[in-house]
Formats: sequence, structure tokens, C-alpha cells
Amino acid sequence: EAGVVQSPRYKIIEKKQPVAFWCNPISGHNTLYWYLQNLGQGPELLIRYENEEAVDDSQLPKDRFSAERLKGVDSTLKIQPAELGDSAVYLCASSSTPGVNEQYFGPGTRLTVT
Amino acid sequence: QKEVEQDPGPLSVPEGAIVSLNCTYSNSAFQYFMWYRQYSRKGPELLMYTYSSGNKEDGRFTAQVDKSSKYISLFIRDSQPSDSATYLCAITRGGANNLFFGTGTRLTVIP
Repeated sequence: EAGVVQSPRYKIIEKKQPVAFWCNPISGHNTLYWYLQNLGQGPELLIRYENEEAVDDSQLPKDRFSAERLKGVDSTLKIQPAELGDSAVYLCASSSTPGVNEQYFGPGTRLTVT
Repeated sequence: QKEVEQDPGPLSVPEGAIVSLNCTYSNSAFQYFMWYRQYSRKGPELLMYTYSSGNKEDGRFTAQVDKSSKYISLFIRDSQPSDSATYLCAITRGGANNLFFGTGTRLTVIP
């Protein structure tokens, strides 16, 4: 079974430029999460989807960040415009039924804003 | 105040040592306690989880939860160089509720 797929793995952009990250969750997983992980820190939730619906986006900085999950499968996270402080690893995770909430993570996209 | 606190280390031990990793939390509503392992430049992978109080063992790994003191631990016996990674504790109320992560403890096992 394929795991969570993310692309690109690495991205370097100049500040004020837009950037987008893509995630393909594990097949059959209805819940999808985007996390932000700063160096030396644990992941912090940005947004959670149940199928196509964003059920928790309270931590998403909506002035510059947006996300979508069309058709309830793949998801895209966008930053426009990027700031120096956005340099971090962006992780995508997915889980199946709520239950224990076992989340499976992708390898992440390491973003560097110069 | 963060939902869960974790000593960031780093922790360095010789091969074969017993490792103890710990976290504390403040809200008694949390029911599930998880440990993730994260290798450098990889995503976190779930090692094991415990529901409510008690111990759970999986090979060389033992997870322990003491809800009365709001203290969670992961023990690694006979540590190996391949155990060198960052270990993240995570807590959740379960169901559709979110997961809250500690800062992670970076472990190095020296051959």
C-alpha cells in the first residue's frame, strides 16, 4: 500500500513569490491534515479536511494561506505571498475512521524563503 | 501554554542502554497517547499508542501512561544505532479531535 505522497520535496523561493504544495493521501483515508513543522518543534496543525470539507482551519493564516481538497482526495496548500518566516517543513497526513485517530504522514515539503 | 510538554534533549546514549523519553500534559480530557519516530528529513511515523492509563509493549519499546500525574513515557530497551531519531509524543481526545504534538526529543545511540 502506498503511503502519503507529497511534492515537491524541496522548494526554494524568494519572498513575496507564491508557492503550492501537493498531497495525495493513502487510498480510502477520508481525513487529511496539513501541518507546519519548524526546526526543533513538533508538527502544528494548519487545517483538517473531512472529505471535501475543511472542518478545522482555525490555525491557518488566511491572509496568505489557502487550501483546497477537490473531490475529497488530493489536496493543495498555497502560500501567496510567501514571507521569510514561512520557511519550514509542510507535512501532510491522512487517517481513515476517527477512532484512535492514527495519522500517517508524508515525507513533507521543505520550504526555504530567501 | 502548550497542551503537551516534552524535554527536547538532545539525548545521547551508548548502544545497548535503556532509554527513557517523557512528556507531561495538563488536560485530563486526553485519552489517547501516541509516540511517533521521525528520522532526519522524513515524516513522523507512528510507533505505538496507548489508550488511557497503563503500559503497552511492542518488542523493545514500552509506552507507559500515568493519568493521575499526567505523565507519559516511552522506554527503549537494548537501544540500537538505528533508533537514532527524534521521538515525538502526541495526545488526542480521540475520535475526530486533533492531535497535539510535543516538541520532540532528539536521540542519538552511539555504537
